[in-house]
Amino acid sequence: AQSVTQLDSQVPVFEEAPVELRCNYSSSVSVYLFWYVQYPNQGLQLLLKYLSGSTLVKGINGFEAEFNKSQTSFHLRKPSVHISDTAEYFCAVMDQGGSEKLVFGKGTKLTVNP
Amino acid sequence: DGGITQSPKYLFRKEGQNVTLSCEQNLNHDAMYWYRQDPGQGLRLIYYSQIVNDFQKGDIAEGYSVSREKKESFPLTVTSAQKNPTAFYLCASRDPYRFGYTFGSGTRLTVV
Repeated sequence: AQSVTQLDSQVPVFEEAPVELRCNYSSSVSVYLFWYVQYPNQGLQLLLKYLSGSTLVKGINGFEAEFNKSQTSFHLRKPSVHISDTAEYFCAVMDQGGSEKLVFGKGTKLTVNP
Repeated sequence: DGGITQSPKYLFRKEGQNVTLSCEQNLNHDAMYWYRQDPGQGLRLIYYSQIVNDFQKGDIAEGYSVSREKKESFPLTVTSAQKNPTAFYLCASRDPYRFGYTFGSGTRLTVV
């Protein structure tokens, strides 16, 4: 079975500062990796995904993530955040060739302050 | 535009009553999912269905039931057996070609 650990439950940053949201996963098989964003009282929106190939993945809104197989990590980064990036971010994993269920981490609340 | 519609957005029920949450999609996706979200807990899988007339329990199925009579619809019933039903419920469907889930905007259920 897979599991996902998001190492920080809350991350406060100032506007225009860089940010990294950390995600580690555990799985006995190869996986696909995802980052989703959730604004208050809304559903989840896909930011980016890693399926195969280049380990650096670029997504929407200027976010990117790097897959590191040896460290079983998939950290999300943005070089300069905006107030509008304030939201909750979820890392998720899906095993390849399995039931195709998404397993989520507990989320990281990003707060961007002026 | 294609998407997932969850209704209602807010739902209030008295303790002991069953309640059904609606989820409709027009994406032509076979697979659909129900997740429960609690603060600080992430999303936990309740039930999923990979094809019409078939569904499987997720990690926290106790106190819930589902049906999948049509491809477009996957309603979730929260029964009186669910000990702590107050939560935010999210429905999703899976795109088989892009490995992505599309989520609805959720239903916030409050049981008093």
